[in-house]
Amino acid sequence: ILNVEQSPQSLHVQEGDSTNFTCSFPSSNFYALHWYRWETAKSPEALFVMTLNGDEKKKGRISATLNTKEGYSYLYIKGSQPEDSATYLCAFTRGSTLGRLYFGRGTQLTVWP
Amino acid sequence: DVKVTQSSRYLVKRTGEKVFLECVQDMDHENMFWYRQDPGLGLRLIYFSYDVKMKEKGDIPEGYSVSREKKERFSLILESASTNQTSMYLCASSSRGSFYSNQPQHFGDGTRLSIL
Repeated sequence: ILNVEQSPQSLHVQEGDSTNFTCSFPSSNFYALHWYRWETAKSPEALFVMTLNGDEKKKGRISATLNTKEGYSYLYIKGSQPEDSATYLCAFTRGSTLGRLYFGRGTQLTVWP
Repeated sequence: DVKVTQSSRYLVKRTGEKVFLECVQDMDHENMFWYRQDPGLGLRLIYFSYDVKMKEKGDIPEGYSVSREKKERFSLILESASTNQTSMYLCASSSRGSFYSNQPQHFGDGTRLSIL
């Protein structure tokens, strides 16, 4: 079982604050890094899939960066809104197991109005 | 939009029963996955399948089996349900994509299974 670490485990911020979380993964045999958002009572939804070192992806107020050499990715949310409240999951794919994801335990974000 | 449909949102069964959880996807995806999610433990892979009649064990296959007779359907079977299998079960699918790309997984809404 590969170790994918996410920090912090939970985060409470005020509406309008910007925030970021970290995902750490094994840097050897890297293939891709995924970010998902999982809102309560809904299914996890893919945010980004990143494959190249130095990749930066953006979707509205959410962006992500990737460093495959040192094995980490950051997810940033600019100007958090209550609707951003969710668990954010990262997952890692190795080159030898195309399609299979190894998930971290997630960062639970709560944005207070 | 990709649709992954799980047969039940909530299910209550008794210890020792054989339980079937069904998952259907409508996007002709090659890959299908079954996870369970427990508080503090994140998503753990039970079984996955790359093709019809093909299955691979994930990290926690004990007490489970799967069936993939048709490309769109992937069933999870609890051979003899036990209380420690009370959990949220999620099905997902993804396309195989090219060798140099990687495709996101699309998830169903989950089945909250309680074993009494």
